[in-house]
Amino acid sequence: SQQGEEDPQALSIQEGENATMNCSYKTSINNLQWYRQNSGRGLVHLILIRSNEREKHSGRLRVTLDTSKKSSSLLITASRAADTASYFCATDDGSARQLTFGSGTQLTVLP
Amino acid sequence: DAGITQSPRYKITETGRQVTLMCHQTWSHSYMFWYRQDLGHGLRLIYYSAAADITDKGEVPDGYVVSRSKTENFPLTLESATRSQTSVYFCASSEKGNQPQHFGDGTRLSIL
Repeated sequence: SQQGEEDPQALSIQEGENATMNCSYKTSINNLQWYRQNSGRGLVHLILIRSNEREKHSGRLRVTLDTSKKSSSLLITASRAADTASYFCATDDGSARQLTFGSGTQLTVLP
Repeated sequence: DAGITQSPRYKITETGRQVTLMCHQTWSHSYMFWYRQDLGHGLRLIYYSAAADITDKGEVPDGYVVSRSKTENFPLTLESATRSQTSVYFCASSEKGNQPQHFGDGTRLSIL
């Protein structure tokens, strides 16, 4: 079963616009992570937010976490064509032994 | 160079054959993972290992066997391949189970 579910499944925007992806999860977590996957490649870790944090920034990335709603969002500002990729959220289930990945959001940034 | 490497990158085999996918990491991470990625299912955990000689089942372990005799290697074996095991397989490693994972570039496996 999927712990994290991303929304939307696909998103297409123009270069320079902001992209927002959402993730919902079911059980209590220690942390939530976001990953990017370029076509034909492995996943690359982007950012980790702990359960006691509400917001975190890394360059053009902004992640928020609402544990009361069991949801997170990833905002990519001033998007570039190179941001075209699939984005996944991943949560632990509190066991600290593994992560569960969602199905991902396919982001296309048009030049 | 430090990293995680998977081999082969591509593999075609027939149903009933045994096939082994290799994974090697140079960080000395304690944890290693095997996932399969299928359209519509995202990544699903097959097996993971917290340390050498310690392995645990993930979400979809049936039909797969793993071993971890050395910290740096974590091979995945399909003992008798079936068409439903056609997928892209990713290996990953991390210092702890819920910390950021480093992924290989995957093995695309086709079973005819």
